[in-house]
Amino acid sequence: GEDVEQSLFLSVREGDSSVINCTYTDSSSTYLYWYKQEPGAGLQLLTYIFSNMDMKQDQRLTVLLNKKDKHLSLRIADTQTGDSAIYFCASEARGYNKLIFGAGTRLAVHP
Amino acid sequence: DGGITQSPKYLFRKEGQNVTLSCEQNLNHDAMYWYRQDPGQGLRLIYYSQIVNDFQKGDIAEGYSVSREKKESFPLTVTSAQKNPTAFYLCASSREGGRETQYFGPGTRLLVL
Repeated sequence: GEDVEQSLFLSVREGDSSVINCTYTDSSSTYLYWYKQEPGAGLQLLTYIFSNMDMKQDQRLTVLLNKKDKHLSLRIADTQTGDSAIYFCASEARGYNKLIFGAGTRLAVHP
Repeated sequence: DGGITQSPKYLFRKEGQNVTLSCEQNLNHDAMYWYRQDPGQGLRLIYYSQIVNDFQKGDIAEGYSVSREKKESFPLTVTSAQKNPTAFYLCASSREGGRETQYFGPGTRLLVL
């Protein structure tokens, strides 16, 4: 079945850039999403990218999509302590009305 | 303030008891979803509804039931048949079913006594 994989943990120094990677298997996915989850909270939509795009930039966030390799990345510039959270990559699944989520990458930002 | 609300924030269930989690949205969205989140795992789809009075099973529907009598409400019942209900439950909605961005509520944490 469809699958989304992410590394589970990333640690960065405050002010550096963070890059969170994701691979997915469903080549028919039209949209790919990044969500952020803070402790004990729901998921907050950060950004999404349409599959015919290679890159999307939104303030400190840059999403890169390599459709051939089914690889998605989220770069956070000038990472701050408030960026500490779990980041989920999600792809649409064949079969409609369904998102497939990765297990989430826990980002820890240290001084 | 438009958004999705879930209540309660914490819920305790005794053995053999059914409990109902509330999800309400005032975004005028047609589609609503219930996900379950376990530690260290991604979200898994329990049920979804594209329109009032209609809903479909997701990947892990066993032991759960839903209703969609009103557009803004999609309650989830965790029945006694669900043997491992301890998890974080997230409700989401989207403008339409299919390729529309999903927006999430704050979640309900269910614990078994």
